[in-house]
Amino acid sequence: AQKVTQAQTEISVVEKEDVTLDCVYETRDTTYYLFWYKQPPSGELVFLIRRNSFDEQNEISGRYSWNFQKSTSSFNFTITASQVVDSAVYFCALSPWGYSTLTFGKGTMLLVSP
Amino acid sequence: DAGVIQSPRHEVTEMGQEVTLRCKPISGHNSLFWYRQTMMRGLELLIYFNNNVPIDDSGMPEDRFSAKMPNASFSTLKIQPSEPRDSAVYFCASSARTSGAQETQYFGPGTRLLVL
Repeated sequence: AQKVTQAQTEISVVEKEDVTLDCVYETRDTTYYLFWYKQPPSGELVFLIRRNSFDEQNEISGRYSWNFQKSTSSFNFTITASQVVDSAVYFCALSPWGYSTLTFGKGTMLLVSP
Repeated sequence: DAGVIQSPRHEVTEMGQEVTLRCKPISGHNSLFWYRQTMMRGLELLIYFNNNVPIDDSGMPEDRFSAKMPNASFSTLKIQPSEPRDSAVYFCASSARTSGAQETQYFGPGTRLLVL
């Protein structure tokens, strides 16, 4: 069975602060993929990143960075110098290799205040 | 490029009425997914199609829900009769599934359904 846990229900920060969103997953599969999606107040789900389980190299994209640690089954997401436009619900998701279905976490609501 | 298109964006109906949600996947994508999002249950997969064939419908709540994909560019999710507990945001997503590769699902804007 697959499970994704996002323990932080809601995080509030002030603009320019760094913030890390936690994601812990459970799977019996040896090969799998992890995803992050963003859901802004407008409601759509926006794809941010996909990582596979055999590539533990961290990734950076502008102010966004992702830390994948297989040993702790975590795939954390850090926003550096947060901005008001980063306010959204962020979802972590898991998919076994070869399967199409995604298992989503409950999401973390991030509120960035000016 | 056009993303996943869903219609209507908002739907308000009365209990007992039939509701039809529509989805046009991204051109060239061969997998299509219907999700439901509620505060209580989060994002749930209802059904997914690959090459227009339903592969997994285990998430469909009950017989009142049905989904079809008559061709590669169109899918419908129908609720008949609708009930207040069906109120939710319904998302359609599509992906390009190729052998041996893991695809990324791209989501439409969602249909916000309110059943009174």
